Amino acid sequence: DAGVIQSPRHEVTEMGQEVTLRCKPISGHNSLFWYRQTMMRGLELLIYFNNNVPIDDSGMPEDRFSAKMPNASFSTLKIQPSEPRDSAVYFCASSRRQGAGSPLHFGNGTRLTVT
Amino acid sequence: KQEVTQIPAALSVPEGENLVLNCSFTDSAIYNLQWFRQDPGKGLTSLLLIQSSQREQTSGRLNASLDKSSGRSTLYIAASQPGDSATYLCANFGNEKLTFGTGTRLTIIP
Repeated sequence: DAGVIQSPRHEVTEMGQEVTLRCKPISGHNSLFWYRQTMMRGLELLIYFNNNVPIDDSGMPEDRFSAKMPNASFSTLKIQPSEPRDSAVYFCASSRRQGAGSPLHFGNGTRLTVT
Repeated sequence: KQEVTQIPAALSVPEGENLVLNCSFTDSAIYNLQWFRQDPGKGLTSLLLIQSSQREQTSGRLNASLDKSSGRSTLYIAASQPGDSATYLCANFGNEKLTFGTGTRLTIIP
């Protein structure tokens, strides 16, 4: 089991640039989540998918953020244009199914720094 | 809005002691309660998951309990070791979302 794989591990970019974060969930998992972690706000759910369909994106902070899941093994989170306040660690997580009895498995995160 | 609170924010204890971490939540309609640990620069590792119909789960030196009536969960760590040093987060699944507490940073002093 390779676990949830995220890339890149670190991303440093200038304000205004487009940033794309990538995630490969655990094979067989059909729920995928994007979280953002900061010292001030802790872990915040941005969006989650069930069977590749976005279910709840109410946590996406602005229209600058978008997420896609074109198939069961890949998802992207895009920020365009990026701003310094977007600096955070972005985590992807997956589970077998949304709901009871299915533990959440996290990737190691992407540390984003926007200068 | 679901809120999850963890107290204390930081805790230091000598090696070998038993300890309890606390988690309280406002939404009593939970489906499961999950405890995680997070090491610096890493993602979250799932420790224990308690389903709504359960009262506790055990794994090795860890025991997690759930009291839905009071909206509380505790994580008990027996015979603490330096390797237990990490941030521990609880997360409550309710209203189709997993809401995290802000965590307790645990330091075990050798």
